Amino acid sequence: QVQLKESGPGLVQPSQTLSLTCTVSGLSLTSNSVSWIRQPPGKGLEWMGVIWSNGGTDYNSAIKSRLSISRDTSKSQVFLKMNSLQTEDTAMYFCASNYAGVFDYWGQGVMVTVSS
Amino acid sequence: DIQMTQSPSLLSASVGDRVTLSCKASQNIYKYLNWYQQKLGEAPKLLIYYTNSLQTGIPSRFSGSGSGTDYTLTISSLQPEDVATYFCQQYNSWYTFGAGTKLELK
Repeated sequence: QVQLKESGPGLVQPSQTLSLTCTVSGLSLTSNSVSWIRQPPGKGLEWMGVIWSNGGTDYNSAIKSRLSISRDTSKSQVFLKMNSLQTEDTAMYFCASNYAGVFDYWGQGVMVTVSS
Repeated sequence: DIQMTQSPSLLSASVGDRVTLSCKASQNIYKYLNWYQQKLGEAPKLLIYYTNSLQTGIPSRFSGSGSGTDYTLTISSLQPEDVATYFCQQYNSWYTFGAGTKLELK
């Protein structure tokens, strides 16, 4: 049974760095890719970036300069770090397994609010 | 970047209705198109991949079609549990989602 679960702070101050963790079970990170996707309140979905099964990464060009995705395969965890947060980064953040462009399993999401 | 436009943004229908949701890409995406269902307060769930392949466990009343730039999700007989927002997503060139169609009961 594949499960993904996001964790991290619910509140981040403007200009600070967001750090999130996606803990995965039921699939191997060395055989599967994981993406981060976010959704501002009441709005649509934005793909942020992916860490491939080989450990390589790719990012959405709109946020590439602020984003970093990494992993710890021994702990089955994927990490997101995004700096210089602004209020428009307030969103639900999801991790999802990414198989050939299809997001087949999703975590429940973690709500992040950027506010002082 | 490929833009995805969904229509309508809000759709009201009755139980048993045949419902059609549309998704249009800004360029040819060669059927690299998925559909997701998101119920209130939940994560999106994959319904259909590669335009018309039904994900395991999804009821057969859901179907997809299309080619080129124009794609459709059809629900053959609307059920109360289908109330949700539906998103299309292209993966011909990276990944972008449509803004969604909110489906409600009339």
